[in-house]
Amino acid sequence: EVQLVESGGGLVQPGRSLRLSCAASGFTFDDYAMHWVRQAPGKGLEWVSGISWNSGSTGYADSVKGRFTISRDNAKNSLYLQMNSLRAEDTALYYCAKGQWELLGAFDIWGQGTMVTVSS
Amino acid sequence: SYELTQPPSVSVSPGQTARITCSADALPKQYAYWYQQKPGQAPVLVIYKDSERPSGIPERFSGSSSGTTVTLTISGVQAEDEADYYCQSADSSGTYPVFGTGTKVTVL
Repeated sequence: EVQLVESGGGLVQPGRSLRLSCAASGFTFDDYAMHWVRQAPGKGLEWVSGISWNSGSTGYADSVKGRFTISRDNAKNSLYLQMNSLRAEDTALYYCAKGQWELLGAFDIWGQGTMVTVSS
Repeated sequence: SYELTQPPSVSVSPGQTARITCSADALPKQYAYWYQQKPGQAPVLVIYKDSERPSGIPERFSGSSSGTTVTLTISGVQAEDEADYYCQSADSSGTYPVFGTGTKVTVL
């Protein structure tokens, strides 16, 4: 079964850090780009960051550039998002999503998300 | 910043046709994708590359493109189609993904 399972979310104070993880199974992980997409409570989808199949290309939304770092470990079939200097506006459900060859294209598999709440 | 514009809401009676538009200047140069999201669930891809339907998606879902607008059409709408729908394409530079503003489809 093709599956993405996120973990690492929680309640964190403004200015602190958090690391999200996404475990992939059921497909050849190192053939595909992977992404993080977030959804603030009651709001729409926002692409956060993506990484190509071999980590050769990464991209970030302007809202997180310089604060978040995406990475992957193909040997472990895992995707990560290091989030530093967190702000209240980063509060959202964070989804891991499977992409295509490079950073553009469809997100055809999604996890169930992990909630990040930034609050003092 | 670059934005894909969708109508906030569309209402349709069961059995009728719902059309959801998504507009942006760069759409003629990039493929568009459509996602369905029901409350409390992750999004599901329903259309890729403007008009292709993934396996398992009902035939009543179709996509089309014309100039700076792409359209998701749901023919013969059913109660289970009530959901939020998002388009997705590339940003103005054609480098990174961007999502549309989202449309809530209500089945009357």
